[in-house]
Amino acid sequence: KAGVTQTPRYLIKTRGQQVTLSCSPISGHRSVSWYQQTPGQGLQFLFEYFSETQRNKGNFPGRFSGRQFSNSRSEMNVSTLELGDSALYLCASSLGWLAGAQETQYFGPGTRLLVL
Amino acid sequence: AQSVTQPDIHITVSEGASLELRCNYSYGATPYLFWYVQSPGQGLQLLLKYFSGDTLVQGIKGFEAEFKRSQSSFNLRKPSVHWSDAAEYFCAVALDSGGYQKVTFGTGTKLQVIP
Repeated sequence: KAGVTQTPRYLIKTRGQQVTLSCSPISGHRSVSWYQQTPGQGLQFLFEYFSETQRNKGNFPGRFSGRQFSNSRSEMNVSTLELGDSALYLCASSLGWLAGAQETQYFGPGTRLLVL
Repeated sequence: AQSVTQPDIHITVSEGASLELRCNYSYGATPYLFWYVQSPGQGLQLLLKYFSGDTLVQGIKGFEAEFKRSQSSFNLRKPSVHWSDAAEYFCAVALDSGGYQKVTFGTGTKLQVIP
């Protein structure tokens, strides 16, 4: 069974641009969660999508948005990029990680975004 | 505001020794509790989580964690550490907030394992 894939793996953008990151979950998984990891802020939860609906969200500005398609693939978009958006963006898939004690998450390798 | 504290930034243990990583949270209600591990070769992995019920939770790789409501703690333990356990460990909590689950991570504890 293929794991979680994220594309692209590396990305360089300039301030003010926008970026779209993609996450393909494990087949059959309906939940995709997104996380941001930076040296300064550590790991932060962005949002979770389940069956095309945003089910949970963190404390990020509206510049950060996401969506999920009917095949459970998810995209995350960041508009008007700032230097502080440079980070490793991780996604995780699960049947529903907050749904119950038996559900687990599987993480992708991440997309490393550098904003210049 | 909810917060998660991992008081130990860095811990060194000998291979074969026991391990306990501390995690404390500050909430009134009982949140969902998680431990994650991140290593260069394996990426980020969910080790275990607590939702309700038995306060001693078993996870992968021989780890367990115990939820102590009176101490607002969810410490991670392993009876015998292996060199491959060297990694960074993150505690996280999720709490209902306005219809959403608000997820907060601790700052992490880096584990070094010496022969």
